Amino acid sequence: GESVGLHLPTLSVQEGDNSIINCAYSNSASDYFIWYKQESGKGPQFIIDIRSNMDKRQGQRVTVLLNKTVKHLSLQIAATQPGDSAVYFCAENMNNNAGNMLTFGGGTRLMVKP
Amino acid sequence: DVKVTQSSRYLVKRTGEKVFLECVQDMDHENMFWYRQDPGLGLRLIYFSYDVKMKEKGDIPEGYSVSREKKERFSLILESASTNQTSMYLCASSGPGQGTGELFFGEGSRLTVL
Repeated sequence: GESVGLHLPTLSVQEGDNSIINCAYSNSASDYFIWYKQESGKGPQFIIDIRSNMDKRQGQRVTVLLNKTVKHLSLQIAATQPGDSAVYFCAENMNNNAGNMLTFGGGTRLMVKP
Repeated sequence: DVKVTQSSRYLVKRTGEKVFLECVQDMDHENMFWYRQDPGLGLRLIYFSYDVKMKEKGDIPEGYSVSREKKERFSLILESASTNQTSMYLCASSGPGQGTGELFFGEGSRLTVL
């Protein structure tokens, strides 16, 4: 979930289990959401996105769920693998600003135990 | 393969020094961004540019300036570095009207100010 201050929330899962990473977003006017994955020493990489007119979107092994009522977003990773170990960020975007400006959450570290 | 390249992966500077962080993208993107990343605080937007010679302040512009003389290049400048600017700096780019807010990130520049 979202973090406050300098502490990064950590989720530890066993290899093969499913992972759920949660995110509370701030702006009810946001209409577009993205999940990014950041591996150690690298920049964030796009995983999956969802528009506010949807409540679920599936990719390869990943699913994003959006609950606009409570302003909550989650990323589900099926059959988690060691390569999934990374920091995951959610980001929100309002459609009325230029340049696709995103607001990022604090991030959650996913650790996959072999 | 799309690419955002940041000129320096690691820099160590002294308080008061002028610091230039360079970023180049090869995707002909209109929009470019500079974020700083600190543990638990996620990515915070410093400045962005949606066209050559155009710039807009992000959430934390104080102590920074930017330059966009060419479409492919966006530079972040610390006129007089301070220890609280020790951080990871991430450059990103995006195109207009992609229908998504996907940002393409560089690998990051870790700056230490002594």
